[in-house]
Amino acid sequence: NAGVMQNPRHLVRRRGQEARLRCSPMKGHSHVYWYRQLPEEGLKFMVYLQKENIIDESGMPKERFSAEFPKEGPSILRIQQVVRGDSAAYFCASSPATSGGYEQYFGPGTRLTVT
Amino acid sequence: GEDVEQSLFLSVREGDSSVINCTYTDSSSTYLYWYKQEPGAGLQLLTYIFSNMDMKQDQRLTVLLNKKDKHLSLRIADTQTGDSAIYFCAEQSGNMLTFGGGTRLMVKP
Repeated sequence: NAGVMQNPRHLVRRRGQEARLRCSPMKGHSHVYWYRQLPEEGLKFMVYLQKENIIDESGMPKERFSAEFPKEGPSILRIQQVVRGDSAAYFCASSPATSGGYEQYFGPGTRLTVT
Repeated sequence: GEDVEQSLFLSVREGDSSVINCTYTDSSSTYLYWYKQEPGAGLQLLTYIFSNMDMKQDQRLTVLLNKKDKHLSLRIADTQTGDSAIYFCAEQSGNMLTFGGGTRLMVKP
């Protein structure tokens, strides 16, 4: 029973490029959450998605960031025209539909470095 | 908005007990969590407590909740060097978790 999977684990992008981060939830989980962890800080909520729906994006920056969770395939967090301040670890978590958002299980994260 | 606070650093000797403290602000939180993060790794869910409980024990871990003071603590008995990590408390706020800044636990042999 694989846990939450994220890829790539490490991603290096130059300023102005696009970053795509992927998250496959645990088997049987249909809720996905994205969090960002800046160096030496705790995690900050970004967005909560269910299949084909964005439920809560109150933590997403207004520009350049978008997320999707299609009917088939992984959830994608997309950052356009990356800047140095986007360098962080991005974590995905999933929970089953029946849990009401409780018991969020986290993936290993994608560490994005913008040069 | 909610604000979850933790002390930055704790150092203990191997075999001693560790107590990591956390304060939160959202009195409507239903669940409170403790996660462990080792260097370069993701977050491991250690334990959680429902807001109507005062205490939860799970092997070496004891969670205490004081709702009146909005204070949460994690006690690790017989701390081992493998317990060295950053520990995050988090509160449930609707669908999201709000995390503290993390407490770095260092265990000296």
